[in-house]
Amino acid sequence: GAVVSQHPSWVICKSGTSVKIECRSLDFQATTMFWYRQFPKQSLMLMATSNEGSKATYEQGVEKDKFLINHASLTLSTLTVTSAHPEDSSFYICSARDLGLADTLGEQFFGPGTRLTVL
Amino acid sequence: EDQVTQSPEALRLQEGESSSLNCSYTVSGLRGLFWYRQDPGKGPEFLFTLYSAGEEKEKERLKATLTKKESFLHITAPKPEDSATYLCAVQGYSTLTFGKGTMLLVSP
Repeated sequence: GAVVSQHPSWVICKSGTSVKIECRSLDFQATTMFWYRQFPKQSLMLMATSNEGSKATYEQGVEKDKFLINHASLTLSTLTVTSAHPEDSSFYICSARDLGLADTLGEQFFGPGTRLTVL
Repeated sequence: EDQVTQSPEALRLQEGESSSLNCSYTVSGLRGLFWYRQDPGKGPEFLFTLYSAGEEKEKERLKATLTKKESFLHITAPKPEDSATYLCAVQGYSTLTFGKGTMLLVSP
């Protein structure tokens, strides 16, 4: 149980194009999903918290117009990197909390990540 | 601001050579401390959650302990398949804050 998938697992795009990354909770429902970015040999940095049916909450320094987040259902959140540039190249990871695991408040289950390379 | 510092940054062990990884933290209102394993190019894999000082949890060759200021991940008789980056994270009032991780390499 508690499986989170991401699609695609990797993507290469040209500078100026937009890329959409999907995050799905496969066997549980999640009102809250999280989007992280990880640079090589660095820790995971939270970009935004995505709540089903409402606007995402972005961390300081993260451009909400550049990183569009949509959480349309209890099992799907999407991150769209708009007008991508080489500096957006990174490993993007989503995570989700299982509503049913009340005794594991705070525990997050992570997706396998998406490697974005912007040429 | 919540902070997590992991040490060492990298650790090389021989198979069977036990050791410990450290996670020091400062957090306002600890709601949980988490250990994850991350393989290259993969997302973090959940290992343990610790909620209060004195708590210990074990899973195979791994044991996690927690004090008010730090947590240790003890690895007993490691095997090459234990090679990975081990991440520590603390859940405060708002967000989950990660350390940079300890990269563990276990040689046969």
